[in-house]
Amino acid sequence: KNEVEQSPQNLTAQEGEFITINCSYSVGISALHWLQQHPGGGIVSLFMLSSGKKKHGRLIATINIQEKHSSLHITASHPRDSAVYICAVRGSARQLTFGSGTQLTVLP
Amino acid sequence: NAGVTQTPKFQVLKTGQSMTLQCAQDMNHNSMYWYRQDPGMGLRLIYYSASEGTTDKGEVPNGYNVSRLNKREFSLRLESAAPSQTSVYFCASNSRGHTTGELFFGEGSRLTVL
Repeated sequence: KNEVEQSPQNLTAQEGEFITINCSYSVGISALHWLQQHPGGGIVSLFMLSSGKKKHGRLIATINIQEKHSSLHITASHPRDSAVYICAVRGSARQLTFGSGTQLTVLP
Repeated sequence: NAGVTQTPKFQVLKTGQSMTLQCAQDMNHNSMYWYRQDPGMGLRLIYYSASEGTTDKGEVPNGYNVSRLNKREFSLRLESAAPSQTSVYFCASNSRGHTTGELFFGEGSRLTVL
């Protein structure tokens, strides 16, 4: 079973700061997902990537398959970015394995 | 376009009671999933349905049953609830297999078993 570790578990930042959330996994994968869980509980998909880098607005996701590591970056953070960010990986099995999430709080 | 709709949003049960969580999606997706989310743990797959008429066990299926009623609806039933089933349950769907394509989630159902 693939183990997925996210760091940090909790992160507090000031508005405007550049934020990085990390995800490491133990075995080879073919794709990785980044999800956002809002304070109200709803979950939305941010990115799905298998190599390189993707950008959407102020969010950037990168993945290094050889190092089994992905990062989610948020530029010019805003209080509305406060949420739990979840990494999930697709390995050789059919199921996704999810990390336990990173709680981000952005203070005004 | 409602996406994925789950009901109820909140439920309190006594040990031994039964209940069904309902899920419906209006995106014509083939695949649907039920997850549970517990504090400090990642989402864990309970059951999934790759297409209408098929269901398969996930990582934590014990104590649950599912029905893929039609392409839109996928329900999760607890026949005899136990305190260990206290959790937040999420239904999700996507257009392709479980591990390909963007996942769309419902808002979650918070279940407490006393």
